[in-house]
Amino acid sequence: SQKIEQNSEALNIQEGKTATLTCNYTNYSPAYLQWYRQDPGRGPVFLLLIRENEKEKRKERLKVTFDTTLKQSLFHITASQPADSATYLCALYGNNRLAFGKGNQVVVIP
Amino acid sequence: NAGVTQTPKFQVLKTGQSMTLQCAQDMNHNSMYWYRQDPGMGLRLIYYSASEGTTDKGEVPNGYNVSRLNKREFSLRLESAAPSQTSVYFCASSLLAGGSGTGELFFGEGSRLTVL
Repeated sequence: SQKIEQNSEALNIQEGKTATLTCNYTNYSPAYLQWYRQDPGRGPVFLLLIRENEKEKRKERLKVTFDTTLKQSLFHITASQPADSATYLCALYGNNRLAFGKGNQVVVIP
Repeated sequence: NAGVTQTPKFQVLKTGQSMTLQCAQDMNHNSMYWYRQDPGMGLRLIYYSASEGTTDKGEVPNGYNVSRLNKREFSLRLESAAPSQTSVYFCASSLLAGGSGTGELFFGEGSRLTVL
């Protein structure tokens, strides 16, 4: 069966450090992979998209890598700030639909 | 810029009651989606509409019906609510469902439904 796995444990990180989140998937051949941010009580907000033929994508302090051989994406927040505290969701596209992982909470400690 | 608007934001139902969640987008998007989000389960797709006039089942369609009323509006109906349908429901839209375009989804703020 198809699975998208993200770490269920919250990541607590000191302000200024780099937070790294992992998204692993099985039985998908996604054309692209996306990352979203979700704050409590709010809908998810799109952050980045990376296509299957791209290895890395950057946007400001965010960096995403995509390894289709390992079936894994890494999401990095550099120079993390307390305002980065949220849950981050990865999502894979296939069959006209986007399927989401369960999300990984990040807590940035001042 | 309204984006994706969902109503109602909160609703409490008794088992067996029916209700419709409304969703409208003002971005001229072709595709619209209904997800539910439960603790520990993540976002799960209920139904989607790749384009006006089409609807398809997602991962968890049982107990729900949808209507793509026009390009802007996509409603979700619970005909006979059950406690297992207690959840937060999110409507989303995207420009295109296919591989072209960014595929980025824009979400509403959610509708919190409790079925007693």
